[in-house]
Amino acid sequence: GAGVSQTPSNKVTEKGKYVELRCDPISGHTALYWYRQSLGQGPEFLIYFQGTGAADDSGLPNDRFFAVRPEGSVSTLKIQRTERGDSAVYLCASSLTQGAQVPDTQYFGPGTRLTVL
Amino acid sequence: AQKITQTQPGMFVQEKEAVTLDCTYDTSDQSYGLFWYKQPSSGEMIFLIYQGSYDEQNATEGRYSLNFQKARKSANLVISASQLGDSAMYFCAMRENSGYSTLTFGKGTMLLVSP
Repeated sequence: GAGVSQTPSNKVTEKGKYVELRCDPISGHTALYWYRQSLGQGPEFLIYFQGTGAADDSGLPNDRFFAVRPEGSVSTLKIQRTERGDSAVYLCASSLTQGAQVPDTQYFGPGTRLTVL
Repeated sequence: AQKITQTQPGMFVQEKEAVTLDCTYDTSDQSYGLFWYKQPSSGEMIFLIYQGSYDEQNATEGRYSLNFQKARKSANLVISASQLGDSAMYFCAMRENSGYSTLTFGKGTMLLVSP
């Protein structure tokens, strides 16, 4: 079946602009995660949705970052007043169930490469 | 303190040989899970193998096996019979049961397989 998809694959914007990044999870997956990967680093957690609600947004770096998942499927990560330091690959992942013990594997999309000039 | 430590920035191996990628972790949870992902140059994170903290046997998935040493808090990935297509970044990650389902990743190891 279809995996996690993310659009756009690349986004170039200017400092101060607003951007939206979209994630379409695997059908039937109730959990959705956003991570950010800077060059030479592993992914870092941003936010986790269980269904429509954000169960954990402790990874969002500041209030310029916001994410929604209004119908419990597609999610949009929104970044206001972008800064050059926001440049990174934004990865989305989904998993089948909330807090499953074994193993509730997260499956990742191809990412969106955001470049802020 | 780093929760996941991958001490090898890069590793080289010849085709058909085995290679071990190191991963140590730090947690006070009794129940946790360890994952390995592969990230080729295309950027997508590909799930390889999982080990639960209560699993008594080391996990295996085809050419991948996980050398789990709980007392030493290590979860090394062993790739047998390396192939050219194994060249990629490899990330170790942990999910702790005290939190939600989020993963904490290491910095990764770049593996290059030569003919």
